[in-house]
Amino acid sequence: KNQVEQSPQSLIILEGKNCTLQCNYTVSPFSNLRWYKQDTGRGPVSLTIMTFSENTKSNGRYTATLDADTKQSSLHITASQLSDSASYICVVTNDSGGYQKVTFGTGTKLQVIP
Amino acid sequence: KAGVTQTPRYLIKTRGQQVTLSCSPISGHRSVSWYQQTPGQGLQFLFEYFSETQRNKGNFPGRFSGRQFSNSRSEMNVSTLELGDSALYLCASSPGLALSNQPQHFGDGTRLSIL
Repeated sequence: KNQVEQSPQSLIILEGKNCTLQCNYTVSPFSNLRWYKQDTGRGPVSLTIMTFSENTKSNGRYTATLDADTKQSSLHITASQLSDSASYICVVTNDSGGYQKVTFGTGTKLQVIP
Repeated sequence: KAGVTQTPRYLIKTRGQQVTLSCSPISGHRSVSWYQQTPGQGLQFLFEYFSETQRNKGNFPGRFSGRQFSNSRSEMNVSTLELGDSALYLCASSPGLALSNQPQHFGDGTRLSIL
Protein backbone atom coordinates (compact mmCIF):
# COMPACT_ATOMS: atom_id res chain seq x y z
CA LYS A 1 0.00 0.00 0.00
CA ASN A 2 1.33 3.44 -0.92
CA GLN A 3 2.02 5.47 2.20
CA VAL A 4 3.49 8.84 3.08
CA GLU A 5 4.50 9.36 6.70
CA GLN A 6 5.52 12.71 8.14
CA SER A 7 7.33 13.49 11.34
CA PRO A 8 7.09 15.05 13.77
CA GLN A 9 3.32 15.36 14.00
CA SER A 10 3.74 18.77 15.62
CA LEU A 11 6.61 21.07 16.48
CA ILE A 12 7.09 24.28 18.45
CA ILE A 13 10.17 26.41 17.81
CA LEU A 14 11.38 29.86 18.75
CA GLU A 15 11.32 32.63 16.18
CA GLY A 16 14.63 32.85 14.35
CA LYS A 17 15.53 29.19 14.82
CA ASN A 18 15.87 26.60 12.05
CA CYS A 19 13.87 23.38 11.82
CA THR A 20 13.65 20.27 9.64
CA LEU A 21 10.52 18.32 8.82
CA GLN A 22 10.66 14.73 7.58
CA CYS A 23 8.70 12.78 4.98
CA ASN A 24 9.14 9.04 4.34
CA TYR A 25 7.24 7.33 1.57
CA THR A 26 6.68 3.87 0.16
CA VAL A 27 5.07 5.08 -3.08
CA SER A 28 6.39 3.33 -6.17
CA PRO A 29 7.03 3.99 -8.97
CA PHE A 30 7.81 7.57 -8.04
CA SER A 31 6.80 10.52 -10.21
CA ASN A 32 7.28 13.62 -8.05
CA LEU A 33 7.24 14.87 -4.48
CA ARG A 34 5.73 18.17 -3.37
CA TRP A 35 5.78 20.17 -0.19
CA TYR A 36 2.86 22.44 0.65
CA LYS A 37 2.26 25.01 3.38
CA GLN A 38 -1.30 25.32 4.65
CA ASP A 39 -2.39 28.14 6.93
CA THR A 40 -5.44 27.52 9.12
CA GLY A 41 -8.62 28.04 7.12
CA ARG A 42 -6.78 28.50 3.83
CA GLY A 43 -5.89 26.33 0.87
CA PRO A 44 -2.37 24.83 0.59
CA VAL A 45 0.38 26.83 -1.08
CA SER A 46 3.02 25.05 -3.13
CA LEU A 47 6.58 25.35 -1.77
CA THR A 48 8.60 22.92 -3.91
CA ILE A 49 8.18 20.19 -6.51
CA MET A 50 10.93 17.61 -7.04
CA THR A 51 11.23 14.86 -9.60
CA PHE A 52 13.18 11.64 -9.26
CA SER A 53 16.37 13.19 -10.61
CA GLU A 54 16.41 16.20 -8.29
CA ASN A 55 17.84 16.00 -4.80
CA THR A 56 17.45 19.56 -3.58
CA LYS A 57 15.25 22.55 -4.32
CA SER A 58 14.95 25.89 -2.59
CA ASN A 59 12.22 28.48 -2.31
CA GLY A 60 13.42 31.40 -0.23
CA ARG A 61 13.95 30.20 3.34
CA TYR A 62 12.54 26.77 2.47
CA THR A 63 14.86 24.03 1.18
CA ALA A 64 13.61 20.57 0.31
CA THR A 65 15.85 17.55 -0.15
CA LEU A 66 15.05 14.21 -1.69
CA ASP A 67 16.80 10.84 -1.42
CA ALA A 68 14.99 8.59 -3.89
CA ASP A 69 17.07 5.56 -2.85
CA THR A 70 15.94 5.67 0.78
CA LYS A 71 12.57 7.24 -0.13
CA GLN A 72 13.02 10.13 2.24
CA SER A 73 12.51 13.84 1.89
CA SER A 74 13.03 16.71 4.27
CA LEU A 75 11.93 20.34 4.39
CA HIS A 76 14.35 22.70 6.10
CA ILE A 77 13.13 26.09 7.26
CA THR A 78 15.83 28.68 7.95
CA ALA A 79 15.50 31.62 10.34
CA SER A 80 11.86 30.88 11.14
CA GLN A 81 9.28 33.66 11.29
CA LEU A 82 5.93 33.84 13.07
CA SER A 83 4.26 33.61 9.67
CA ASP A 84 5.78 30.14 9.20
CA SER A 85 3.23 28.81 11.72
CA ALA A 86 1.17 26.42 9.58
CA SER A 87 0.75 22.80 8.60
CA TYR A 88 3.32 21.42 6.15
CA ILE A 89 2.15 18.62 3.89
CA CYS A 90 4.24 16.21 1.85
CA VAL A 91 2.58 14.79 -1.29
CA VAL A 92 3.92 11.98 -3.46
CA THR A 93 2.66 11.18 -6.94
CA ASN A 94 3.23 7.84 -8.60
CA ASP A 95 2.64 6.72 -12.13
CA SER A 96 0.57 3.56 -12.20
CA GLY A 97 -0.20 2.16 -15.63
CA GLY A 98 -0.59 5.57 -17.24
CA TYR A 99 -2.67 6.95 -14.37
CA GLN A 100 -1.08 9.10 -11.73
CA LYS A 101 -2.08 8.56 -8.11
CA VAL A 102 -1.61 11.08 -5.36
CA THR A 103 -0.79 10.14 -1.77
CA PHE A 104 -0.80 12.81 0.93
CA GLY A 105 1.03 12.79 4.22
CA THR A 106 -0.92 13.76 7.33
CA GLY A 107 1.20 16.86 7.81
CA THR A 108 3.41 18.47 10.43
CA LYS A 109 1.86 21.28 12.42
CA LEU A 110 4.52 23.93 13.08
CA GLN A 111 4.12 26.68 15.64
CA VAL A 112 6.68 29.47 15.78
CA ILE A 113 6.62 31.43 19.03
CA PRO A 114 8.25 34.80 19.83
CA LYS B 1 -4.08 38.12 -11.50
CA ALA B 2 -7.08 36.68 -9.65
CA GLY B 3 -6.52 33.42 -7.77
CA VAL B 4 -8.65 30.30 -7.69
CA THR B 5 -12.17 31.13 -6.55
CA GLN B 6 -14.43 28.62 -4.86
CA THR B 7 -18.10 29.19 -4.09
CA PRO B 8 -19.78 29.01 -1.75
CA ARG B 9 -17.32 29.25 1.16
CA TYR B 10 -19.68 27.55 3.59
CA LEU B 11 -22.60 25.21 3.06
CA ILE B 12 -24.92 23.29 5.37
CA LYS B 13 -26.94 20.37 4.05
CA THR B 14 -28.84 17.42 5.49
CA ARG B 15 -28.34 13.73 4.85
CA GLY B 16 -29.75 12.51 1.55
CA GLN B 17 -29.55 15.87 -0.19
CA GLN B 18 -27.21 16.66 -3.03
CA VAL B 19 -24.81 19.57 -3.41
CA THR B 20 -22.90 21.32 -6.20
CA LEU B 21 -19.68 23.19 -5.54
CA SER B 22 -18.09 25.59 -8.00
CA CYS B 23 -14.48 26.41 -8.85
CA SER B 24 -13.14 29.15 -11.12
CA PRO B 25 -9.48 28.53 -11.98
CA ILE B 26 -6.78 31.10 -12.61
CA SER B 27 -7.18 32.61 -16.06
CA GLY B 28 -5.37 30.50 -18.64
CA HIS B 29 -5.21 27.38 -16.47
CA ARG B 30 -6.73 24.36 -18.14
CA SER B 31 -6.50 21.79 -15.34
CA VAL B 32 -8.76 21.72 -12.29
CA SER B 33 -8.36 19.17 -9.51
CA TRP B 34 -10.62 18.53 -6.55
CA TYR B 35 -9.62 17.35 -3.07
CA GLN B 36 -11.39 16.46 0.16
CA GLN B 37 -9.82 17.38 3.50
CA THR B 38 -11.01 15.99 6.84
CA PRO B 39 -9.36 15.90 10.28
CA GLY B 40 -9.36 12.09 10.26
CA GLN B 41 -8.28 11.30 6.70
CA GLY B 42 -6.34 14.43 5.82
CA LEU B 43 -6.20 15.45 2.17
CA GLN B 44 -7.49 13.02 -0.45
CA PHE B 45 -7.56 13.41 -4.21
CA LEU B 46 -10.97 13.24 -5.84
CA PHE B 47 -10.42 13.87 -9.55
CA GLU B 48 -8.78 16.07 -12.14
CA TYR B 49 -10.29 17.63 -15.24
CA PHE B 50 -8.33 18.93 -18.19
CA SER B 51 -9.91 20.38 -21.33
CA GLU B 52 -13.36 19.21 -20.18
CA THR B 53 -12.23 15.59 -19.77
CA GLN B 54 -11.66 13.70 -16.54
CA ARG B 55 -7.97 12.70 -16.61
CA ASN B 56 -7.42 11.20 -13.18
CA LYS B 57 -9.64 9.84 -10.44
CA GLY B 58 -9.14 8.97 -6.78
CA ASN B 59 -10.86 6.27 -4.74
CA PHE B 60 -14.22 7.84 -4.05
CA PRO B 61 -17.69 6.37 -4.66
CA GLY B 62 -19.72 7.30 -7.69
CA ARG B 63 -21.77 9.74 -5.58
CA PHE B 64 -18.89 12.15 -6.18
CA SER B 65 -18.82 13.50 -9.71
CA GLY B 66 -17.57 16.52 -11.53
CA ARG B 67 -17.43 18.31 -14.80
CA GLN B 68 -15.51 21.05 -16.51
CA PHE B 69 -16.83 23.66 -18.87
CA SER B 70 -15.23 25.12 -21.99
CA ASN B 71 -14.03 28.15 -19.98
CA SER B 72 -12.22 25.74 -17.59
CA ARG B 73 -14.59 26.43 -14.71
CA SER B 74 -15.44 23.27 -12.86
CA GLU B 75 -18.24 21.97 -10.69
CA MET B 76 -18.26 19.08 -8.26
CA ASN B 77 -21.47 17.31 -7.31
CA VAL B 78 -22.10 15.03 -4.37
CA SER B 79 -25.39 13.13 -4.32
CA THR B 80 -27.14 11.37 -1.43
CA LEU B 81 -25.06 13.17 1.17
CA GLU B 82 -23.79 11.25 4.19
CA LEU B 83 -22.56 12.55 7.53
CA GLY B 84 -19.04 11.47 6.56
CA ASP B 85 -19.08 13.85 3.61
CA SER B 86 -18.62 16.77 6.01
CA ALA B 87 -15.27 18.20 4.96
CA LEU B 88 -13.35 21.04 3.40
CA TYR B 89 -13.46 20.63 -0.38
CA LEU B 90 -10.51 22.20 -2.13
CA CYS B 91 -10.04 23.01 -5.77
CA ALA B 92 -6.67 23.59 -7.43
CA SER B 93 -5.76 24.76 -10.91
CA SER B 94 -2.62 24.52 -13.01
CA PRO B 95 -1.63 25.45 -16.57
CA GLY B 96 -1.20 21.83 -17.69
CA LEU B 97 -1.92 18.46 -16.19
CA ALA B 98 -1.58 18.87 -12.43
CA LEU B 99 -0.33 15.42 -11.60
CA SER B 100 2.78 15.82 -13.72
CA ASN B 101 5.30 18.43 -12.59
CA GLN B 102 3.04 21.43 -12.82
CA PRO B 103 2.66 23.69 -9.77
CA GLN B 104 -0.90 23.78 -8.45
CA HIS B 105 -2.71 26.83 -7.09
CA PHE B 106 -5.38 26.14 -4.51
CA GLY B 107 -8.52 28.02 -3.60
CA ASP B 108 -9.52 28.44 0.04
CA GLY B 109 -12.15 25.74 -0.19
CA THR B 110 -15.82 25.17 0.49
CA ARG B 111 -16.59 23.93 3.99
CA LEU B 112 -19.49 21.51 3.75
CA SER B 113 -21.33 20.46 6.90
CA ILE B 114 -23.90 17.65 6.84
CA LEU B 115 -26.55 17.59 9.57
